[in-house]
Amino acid sequence: AQTVTQSQPEMSVQEAETVTLSCTYDTSESDYYLFWYKQPPSRQMILVIRQEAYKQQNATENRFSVNFQKAAKSFSLKISDSQLGDAAMYFCAYRSDGGYQKVTFGTGTKLQVIP
Amino acid sequence: DVKVTQSSRYLVKRTGEKVFLECVQDMDHENMFWYRQDPGLGLRLIYFSYDVKMKEKGDIPEGYSVSREKKERFSLILESASTNQTSMYLCASSSHFRDRRSYEQYFGPGTRLTVT
Repeated sequence: AQTVTQSQPEMSVQEAETVTLSCTYDTSESDYYLFWYKQPPSRQMILVIRQEAYKQQNATENRFSVNFQKAAKSFSLKISDSQLGDAAMYFCAYRSDGGYQKVTFGTGTKLQVIP
Repeated sequence: DVKVTQSSRYLVKRTGEKVFLECVQDMDHENMFWYRQDPGLGLRLIYFSYDVKMKEKGDIPEGYSVSREKKERFSLILESASTNQTSMYLCASSSHFRDRRSYEQYFGPGTRLTVT
């Protein structure tokens, strides 16, 4: 079974600074997807960024980028120019490429943005 | 925009009661999911459904059942609520797994259930 580990329960960053959230996973599969989801306080969870394992290039979405290290099974999220609206719980998640869409989530990292 | 709605944001029930949590999506998605979210444990999959009347157990199905009679609606049932089922329940949906764009799950706002 796949496992996803987020070792940082809480993190903080100064507004306008850069922060990196860590995620490691364990799998024996070669094809899969990795995601970062954001859950703002009292609001719905939304997808921030995804990475296909077969792509070597790291995904980027505006101020959000990932550092995908397939051999090390590491998938970190970098948030540049942090804004107050980035304060949220962030979940790393894994999904196999085939079969049903069962997604395995990490335990989450609570990000605080300090004005 | 995809909308996933859940019947209640907050719910308080007594031990032993039968509890229904409803989820509705408006994007004609084939897949629907029920998760439980607890601090320090992240999201854990209870059940999912890939078609009407079809269901699969997730990681923690004990004490729960589900129903999917219509494509847009997926219900989670607690047959006899217990205090250890106090939690946040999240519903999600996604398109068919054969659709390569189906990677994204769309979440509802959650139902915070308290069992006393």
